[in-house]
Amino acid sequence: DAGVIQSPRHEVTEMGQEVTLRCKPISGHNSLFWYRQTMMRGLELLIYFNNNVPIDDSGMPEDRFSAKMPNASFSTLKIQPSEPRDSAVYFCASSQGWTDTQYFGPGTRLTVL
Amino acid sequence: DAKTTQPPSMDCAEGRAANLPCNHSTISGNEYVYWYRQIHSQGPQYIIHGLKNNETNEMASLIITEDRKSSTLILPHATLRDTAVYYCIVRAPNFGNEKLTFGTGTRLTIIP
Repeated sequence: DAGVIQSPRHEVTEMGQEVTLRCKPISGHNSLFWYRQTMMRGLELLIYFNNNVPIDDSGMPEDRFSAKMPNASFSTLKIQPSEPRDSAVYFCASSQGWTDTQYFGPGTRLTVL
Repeated sequence: DAKTTQPPSMDCAEGRAANLPCNHSTISGNEYVYWYRQIHSQGPQYIIHGLKNNETNEMASLIITEDRKSSTLILPHATLRDTAVYYCIVRAPNFGNEKLTFGTGTRLTIIP
């Protein structure tokens, strides 16, 4: 089992640019979660999907953030335009059901200059 | 409001058992105790979870007190690779409780 796969592992971009983070959940998992981790705020849930449908996006900071899950094996988190305060590590996690054990990917470290 | 209390840091000698405590005195009857760890620069790693019975898997053992107000995670033979921040989380399998709330955890350092 390959686990949750995220790409890229590191992203450095300039303020104002569009950033797209990608996630492939564990095969057979029906729920997918996007988290963000910073030193100041710890680990925060941004959005989660169940059966490819967004269930709760109340953690998405603002309209610059959007997430999609076009199929069961792929999700994207997009930031447009990016700002320096978006610099963080973004984690994707998946679980069989939305209340089951969540398994995390290795994360994408985003730096916005 | 924090649901769990953990010591901020602990040391353990390599090869010894590491016992990490967690207090969750306000735990509800349907809330599980989960343990995750985060090794530097990696994603949180699931370790184990339980409701009221003690649990054991290939990574660790979880001992939950009879009143469920506290628990202990045991790493039986700690290695240097077990150095990480360990998080104790209580969570009920209900709609609305999907997110994992990580507190500040315990920073465990394994000493050679």
